[in-house]
Amino acid sequence: EAGVVQSPRYKIIEKKQPVAFWCNPISGHNTLYWYRQNLGQGPELLIRYENEEAVDDSQLPKDRFSAERLKGVDSTLKIQPAELGDSAVYLCASSFGNHEAFFGQGTRLTVV
Amino acid sequence: DAKTTQPPSMDCAEGRAANLPCNHSTISGNEYVYWYRQIHSQGPQYIIHGLKNNETNEMASLIITEDRKSSTLILPHATLRDTAVYYCIVRVIYDGGTSYGKLTFGQGTILTVHP
Repeated sequence: EAGVVQSPRYKIIEKKQPVAFWCNPISGHNTLYWYRQNLGQGPELLIRYENEEAVDDSQLPKDRFSAERLKGVDSTLKIQPAELGDSAVYLCASSFGNHEAFFGQGTRLTVV
Repeated sequence: DAKTTQPPSMDCAEGRAANLPCNHSTISGNEYVYWYRQIHSQGPQYIIHGLKNNETNEMASLIITEDRKSSTLILPHATLRDTAVYYCIVRVIYDGGTSYGKLTFGQGTILTVHP
C-alpha cells in the first residue's frame, strides 16, 4: 500500500516568488494535516482537514499561505509571496479519523 | 493540549534496551499518549500509542504509569537504525471541539545508538 505521497521533494525559489506543494494521502484517509518543520524543531501544525473542510487553520499565516482540498482527497499548500523565513520542511500527514497519522517524506523548501 | 517533557538526548548501546521517558503530568482523561520517531531527512513515523494500559507491538513497548502522569517507550533490542528523534505526544481523541486529533510535537529526545 502506498503511503502519503508529497511532491516536489525539494524546492528552491527566490523570495517574493510563489510556491506550491502537493500531497496525496493514504487511500481512505479522510483527515489530512499540513505541518511545517524548522531546522532543529518539531513539526508545527498549519492546517487540518476533515474531508474537504478545514477544521483547524488557526496556525496558518493567512496573509501569504493558503491551502485547499477540493474533493476531500489530495491537497495543495501554497505560499505567495515566499519570504526567507519560510525556508523549512513542509510535511503532509493523513489519518482515518482520529486514528494514528502517517506522514509523507516532506518537501524541503529553500527561499533565497 | 497537555505538554510533555522529555530529556533532550540519550545514548544506548546496540543490542541493549532503550528506555525513553516522558513526563505528561497534566494529561487529561480524553488524551492518549502517542510516540513517533523521526529519522534524519524523513517524515515522522508512528510507533505506538496507549491510554492507560501497557501496549506492545512489533516496534516497541509502551509503559504508562497508573496515574498516567508519565510513560516510557521501550525499544527492546536497539539497532543503529533506531537512531532518531523520538517524540512523546499527548493527543486529544475527542472533545467536541477542534483540538481532537491534533498532534502537537515538542522537541523530542535525540536517541543515539552506538556500536
